[in-house]
Amino acid sequence: GENVEQHPSTLSVQEGDSAVIKCTYSDSASNYFPWYKQELGKGPQLIIDIRSNVGEKKDQRIAVTLNKTAKHFSLHITETQPEDSAVYFCAASWGTGGGADGLTFGKGTHLIIQP
Amino acid sequence: DSGVTQTPKHLITATGQRVTLRCSPRSGDLSVYWYQQSLDQGLQFLIQYYNGEERAKGNILERFSAQQFPDLHSELNLSSLELGDSALYFCASSPRTGSATEAFFGQGTRLTVV
Repeated sequence: GENVEQHPSTLSVQEGDSAVIKCTYSDSASNYFPWYKQELGKGPQLIIDIRSNVGEKKDQRIAVTLNKTAKHFSLHITETQPEDSAVYFCAASWGTGGGADGLTFGKGTHLIIQP
Repeated sequence: DSGVTQTPKHLITATGQRVTLRCSPRSGDLSVYWYQQSLDQGLQFLIQYYNGEERAKGNILERFSAQQFPDLHSELNLSSLELGDSALYFCASSPRTGSATEAFFGQGTRLTVV
């Protein structure tokens, strides 16, 4: 099955600086890579995603890059703000060939924005 | 607010008991997924239903079962509960099935087994 590794487990950055979180996946058949943000006491919130036919996607201060050859993808947050503090999860979607799918998640990165 | 509703928010029960968690997907979504989140295992996919039928199984124990009803809400049944089943259980929904489909999560049910 799919295996997703995420680094670092904790990331502390100064407010206004950039943050980068990296993930690798094992199954070359995976074709969808979402990122979720989870705040304390809440469910994961989809913040951006990328499909395997695209190398980069940007949404305001958030961007995701995908390198299919190396099987890794990254989340970039620029001009970080206090409200960016949360746990971020990367995931890879796998299919069973029957149109079904599930997400395999990384272990999460606790992003801390220092004022 | 994702539009996915889970009840109850908290549940405390004893070992050996059985509980049912409920999920209402976003309006129009046909796929429902169940995930378990624990400190040691992280977020793990349990099972997926699409339009009433089981579509995919992940790391779901035999003591656990789920179903999706004609109105598309879903229930996750956990039986013969053990201390290790204490975790957050999330439901997610998406408009269709197949890989590359975005999924939206509910707020979760925190299950504590004592």
